[in-house]
Amino acid sequence: DTAVSQTPKYLVTQMGNDKSIKCEQNLGHDTMYWYKQDSKKFLKIMFSYNNKELIINETVPNRFSPKSPDKAHLNLHINSLELGDSAVYFCASSQGLADYNEQFFGPGTRLTVL
Amino acid sequence: QQQVKQSPQSLIVQKGGISIINCAYENTAFDYFPWYQQFPGKGPALLIAIRPDVSEKKEGRFTISFNKSAKQFSLHIMDSQPGDSATYFCAASKDYKLSFGAGTTVTVRA
Repeated sequence: DTAVSQTPKYLVTQMGNDKSIKCEQNLGHDTMYWYKQDSKKFLKIMFSYNNKELIINETVPNRFSPKSPDKAHLNLHINSLELGDSAVYFCASSQGLADYNEQFFGPGTRLTVL
Repeated sequence: QQQVKQSPQSLIVQKGGISIINCAYENTAFDYFPWYQQFPGKGPALLIAIRPDVSEKKEGRFTISFNKSAKQFSLHIMDSQPGDSATYFCAASKDYKLSFGAGTTVTVRA
C-alpha cells in the first residue's frame, strides 16, 4: 500500500560512477518531483514533471538527468558522481500541477559518494 | 539563496509545553504557506497550510499564525507530545514550486 516508493534506500558508490534512483507512485498522480536534502536538512527542488513533461529544472548540473517513462515513474540518473552529490534524495508527487502545495514524499534515498 | 528563513534550528520542549517555530519571507508573490513534518528516516508530510489572506489557522494542536504586513508566519504546537518530535519545515509557494525553510528539529521530553 506504499504511496511513493524509492529504490534503493541506500546507495554507496565511488566518485566518477554513474547511478540511478528509481521512484514510483501508486496514487494516480500526474505530477512528480525530485528534491535534494543536504546534510543540514535543507530541502531543495531539483525537477518536476507533469504528465511526463518537464516543468521545473532548477540550476542542477547536467550530470543529473530525470527520466519519466510514464506518469507513475520518475527516475533520476546521475553521471560522474562527485563528493558533493552525497545527500538524501526525495521523490514526491502531487495530484496535478495545480496541487503542488500538497506533495506526497517518498522515504528518500541516501546517496553516499566516496 | 534561501527565500524562506526559519528559526530556531532546534528546540527542546517539555511534554505539555508549547513549541513555536518562526519563518520569514521577502517575496510578496508567494501565495501559499504550508508546513511539513518529517520524522527521522522518512519523507516530509504536509501538516497544515495557510493562505496569506487568513491570519490564523488551527488544526487540532497545531496552529499557524500569519502576519502578512511583517511577512512572517509561525507554527505553534500546543500541548506538545513525545510523538511530535520531528523536524518541521515551513515553506512558501509560487509558480508550481515550494521553497522550504531550513527546518527546525523539535524534541519533546517526556
